[in-house]
Amino acid sequence: EMQLVQSRAEVKKPGESLKISCRASGYNFLAYWIGWVRQMPGKGLEWMGIIYPSDSDTRYSPSFQGQVTISADKSINTAYLQWSSLKASDTAMYYCARRDRYSSSLNFDFWGQGTLVTVSS
Amino acid sequence: QSALTQPPSASGSPGQSVTISCTGTSSDVGGYNYVSWYQQHPGKAPKLMIYEVNKRPSGVPDRFSGSKSGNTASLVVSGLQAEDEADYYCSSDAGTDNLLFGGGTKVTVL
Repeated sequence: EMQLVQSRAEVKKPGESLKISCRASGYNFLAYWIGWVRQMPGKGLEWMGIIYPSDSDTRYSPSFQGQVTISADKSINTAYLQWSSLKASDTAMYYCARRDRYSSSLNFDFWGQGTLVTVSS
Repeated sequence: QSALTQPPSASGSPGQSVTISCTGTSSDVGGYNYVSWYQQHPGKAPKLMIYEVNKRPSGVPDRFSGSKSGNTASLVVSGLQAEDEADYYCSSDAGTDNLLFGGGTKVTVL
């Protein structure tokens, strides 16, 4: 069974660092791009970036370039999203999602359950 | 880069059809046949319903259909069912490795 299992919810203070994870199983992790999508409370979806775990080729949305770091560890089929210094405005649900490899478009055919990040002093 | 424009809400009675629009520009919706639609129930992850304007992933009912004209894409949900009540988001490629989402439309089944 295909799964993307994300790490648990986090509560952090402004200025702290954080790394959340997305562990894949049930398919060839190395053959699919993995993307990250932000959803702020009560708001819509925002694409953050994608990574190809096989060679760690990473592309960022212009809106998130320099704000976060996307990485992957292919030895444990896991992708990561990290912040070096969190802000209150980073409070959101973060989803990882698998990019459809059979389409030329940037669409996501399978999603993780989401990780809620709360940043508050 | 701005989000794609969707109406905030749409509604219909069971069995009827509802149409959701998604308006962009010639740099995104109008420039590529790469529009997708996602369904999101409260507290759940999004689910891909349509990709490449009008293609349905395996398992998505044929009550869901997509189309595009110029800079505007549309999702039609026909034969509305109670389980179709959800938020719907469009997305479009906007250049190499760039993706825009719409603001979302809440569909209510009356």
